[in-house]
Amino acid sequence: GQQLNQSPQSMFIQEGEDVSMNCTSSSIFNTWLWYKQDPGEGPVLLIALYKAGELTSNGRLTAQFGTTRKDSFLNISASIPSDVGIYFCAGPIYGGSQGNLIFGKGTKLSVKP
Amino acid sequence: NAGVMQNPRHLVRRRGQEARLRCSPMKGHSHVYWYRQLPEEGLKFMVYLQKENIIDESGMPKERFSAEFPKEGPSILRIQQVVRGDSAAYFCASSPSGGSTEAFFGQGTRLTVV
Repeated sequence: GQQLNQSPQSMFIQEGEDVSMNCTSSSIFNTWLWYKQDPGEGPVLLIALYKAGELTSNGRLTAQFGTTRKDSFLNISASIPSDVGIYFCAGPIYGGSQGNLIFGKGTKLSVKP
Repeated sequence: NAGVMQNPRHLVRRRGQEARLRCSPMKGHSHVYWYRQLPEEGLKFMVYLQKENIIDESGMPKERFSAEFPKEGPSILRIQQVVRGDSAAYFCASSPSGGSTEAFFGQGTRLTVV
């Protein structure tokens, strides 16, 4: 079945660093979504991508829809402590309803001790 | 405009009891989605409902689980005869139309089965 693979699984950041993470699939997606989840909270939509090659920014966040439609990337520039959390990629499952999203397992961002 | 409201936030049930999770969508939203999240995992789709209709229940376990979204009142996810494996965070999302890219998630209900 369809799967979304996120890497890295976890990473440590120091304030001010740039962060990159990606999401890959063996299947084609027509929409890529990036969410952030804080501990004890629900996911919050950060960026939605609808076209292959699309590059979209939301403040310090930039996401790209890969040209093969099988991957997407999320970059965070000049990280700050509140960037800590789990970042998920998601997309509508093939053949499913629009409400049926498949999620990756997440990239956990923590602060370097 | 309040966000998606889920209650209770935390629910403890003994094995064999019933769990009822409630979700009030955002004002003006008539589409509701339920997801389950196990520890260290991503969210897994369970069911998509529109007022009084189940649109997609492909992620719902065949037994013990049911969902409804009545004309009046919140959406309810019901789990009968809970087992330890049902322990998870259950999230509800809502959207004004059938596109989940516009969906907003609630804070979730954390179910613990003891």
